[in-house]
Parts: sequence; structure tokens; C-alpha cells
Amino acid sequence: AQSVAQPEDQVNVAEGNPLTVKCTYSVSGNPYLFWYVQYPNRGLQFLLKYITGDNLVKGSYGFEAEFNKSQTSFHLKKPSALVSDSALYFCAVRGPNDYKLSFGAGTTVTVRA
Amino acid sequence: DTAVSQTPKYLVTQMGNDKSIKCEQNLGHDTMYWYKQDSKKFLKIMFSYNNKELIINETVPNRFSPKSPDKAHLNLHINSLELGDSAVYFCASSPHLAESYNEQFFGPGTRLTVL
Repeated sequence: AQSVAQPEDQVNVAEGNPLTVKCTYSVSGNPYLFWYVQYPNRGLQFLLKYITGDNLVKGSYGFEAEFNKSQTSFHLKKPSALVSDSALYFCAVRGPNDYKLSFGAGTTVTVRA
Repeated sequence: DTAVSQTPKYLVTQMGNDKSIKCEQNLGHDTMYWYKQDSKKFLKIMFSYNNKELIINETVPNRFSPKSPDKAHLNLHINSLELGDSAVYFCASSPHLAESYNEQFFGPGTRLTVL
């Protein structure tokens, strides 16, 4: 069975500092990995995904994520956080033969001015 | 243009009532989903339809019945509502179920409150 772990419920950073949101996964076969962001009272918005190829994936709003197969991780990063990045972030995984997308529990990011 | 839309946005109702939530996507996608987000923000898949065919049916009470009249619409009907059904329900779509690498597009959510 596939699963995702987001070990931190909350991440707090100061504006301008680097932001990292951690994600590890478990899946049979090669994973398809996704990051979504949810702003208050809104639906989920797609940020970026890893399918194959370059381990460093760049996405929307200056976010990037690094796929690490040996550590089964897909951490989300942003070099310089903005107050507007404050939101709930979800990591998700899907196996190549799976119909379901499995989500992590989410990490609340708060960026203070 | 809204890609995935849901109605209503808010739904407040009494225990025991029957209610429906509607979802429409204008992306031309084959696959649509219903997710439930509980008060702790956990997201759980409930159902998935691919070209009007039910593909995923998670362990969901029989009181929940999805209906897909065409591939652009996926509605969720809930009978005999219970307090525990209070949650935010999200509709989503993706190009095709078998294309695991495609991201899903989410609607704005319907906040259901059962009193």
C-alpha cells in the first residue's frame, strides 16, 4: 500500500528565510509525487510534480522540490519565503499502477513578517 | 472560467436530512473524484469515476451515492445525514485515470455542517 508521511504539523519561518517542508513516501514501483497548497477556505492548488528525470523539480510561485530515491523523500523548498506563502501544504504520491492518490496529513506553514 | 466548480459552497442541514452536492468540470477530463476533508484537514478519497464508470469506491457508508450523468459532472447524494458527515467535500478531476502522472484539479469545496 502506498503512503505519505509529513513529519511536521507546523513549520514557522521568518520572511526572507528559506522554507523547507518535508515529505517521505512509500510506494510499489516508481513513484509519481505531487505537492499541493491549500489557502484558507480554498481548494487545493497544484504546485509541482515529479514523474521522472531530473531530481530537482521547479514549480509555481518559486517553489521547488528534490526527489531522493534512496531516502524516499520529496521535500518542498523555497529559497526566500513570503508572508503570502502561509498556507497548508500537502504532499501526495501515486504508484504507476495505482488509481488512487494518497495524501500526507499536511503541514501548516506560517511565514512571519 | 472556473475549471472545477461545486455547488453549494456551504450547506447547513439537520441530522436525518438528504442532501446533494454538485460538481462540474470544463477541462474536458475523463476522470472525476470526490474527497472528504475532515476537521483535522485529512484528505481521503471517497469515489472516482472514469468516463461515467465507477472505478474507486472506498469504504464509504451506503448513505453516500455518487452519480455521473456525463463525464463533465459528478454529483454526490447523501442520505440520512449524520453529525459525523460534517466536513469539507472536494471534487477534483484529471485527464485520465490510467495516467498516474497527471495532477488533479480541485474545486473550491463544499462545507457541510450537520446539526
